[in-house]
Amino acid sequence: GAGVSQSPRYKVAKRGQDVALRCDPISGHVSLFWYQQALGQGPEFLTYFQNEAQLDKSGLPSDRFFAERPEGSVSTLKIQRTQQEDSAVYLCASSLALAGGVYEQFFGPGTRLTVL
Amino acid sequence: AQSVTQLDSHVSVSEGTPVLLRCNYSSSYSPSLFWYVQHPNKGLQLLLKYTSAATLVKGINGFEAEFKKSETSFHLTKPSAHMSDAAEYFCVVSEISSGSARQLTFGSGTQLTVLP
Repeated sequence: GAGVSQSPRYKVAKRGQDVALRCDPISGHVSLFWYQQALGQGPEFLTYFQNEAQLDKSGLPSDRFFAERPEGSVSTLKIQRTQQEDSAVYLCASSLALAGGVYEQFFGPGTRLTVL
Repeated sequence: AQSVTQLDSHVSVSEGTPVLLRCNYSSSYSPSLFWYVQHPNKGLQLLLKYTSAATLVKGINGFEAEFKKSETSFHLTKPSAHMSDAAEYFCVVSEISSGSARQLTFGSGTQLTVLP
């Protein structure tokens, strides 16, 4: 079956522009995670949804970052007034697990954001 | 708080020789531990996971890892490297976050090169 998909795969933005990154999780997956992967680093947790509820946003680096999952399926990560330090690969992952379960997270291919 | 240290940023082996990728972790609770692999332009793929069952964990493509609590280590091994194993490998620890989700904490990665 289809895996996690993300779009666009590549995004170039001028500093100050707003961007929206989309994630389509695996159908039926309750949990959805966003991670940020800077060049040469491991991914870092940004935020977590259980269905449509955003239960943890402790990893969002600033109030310019906003995520939503209004119908409990597709999620969008929005970055307002982009800065050069926002340049990274943004990864989305989904999982069958409810809170606390140790289930595999399935990752999408990521969106590479470059801010000029 | 949880953290992961991957002791080598780059490892180079010859095809057919053993692979050892080292990982040490820190966790306040009994951790769940994972190894993920990331091939260029592809999503992260789970190799194996430890969740407090057998300490020697077997994964896909001939990889295995041993959980050693006394050494706080979870090293990844493979008896014989194949050219297709060349990729970035991430050691990952997981525990309950503030939102009761099992967020993943990644190490900084080890780039494995396999020489012909």
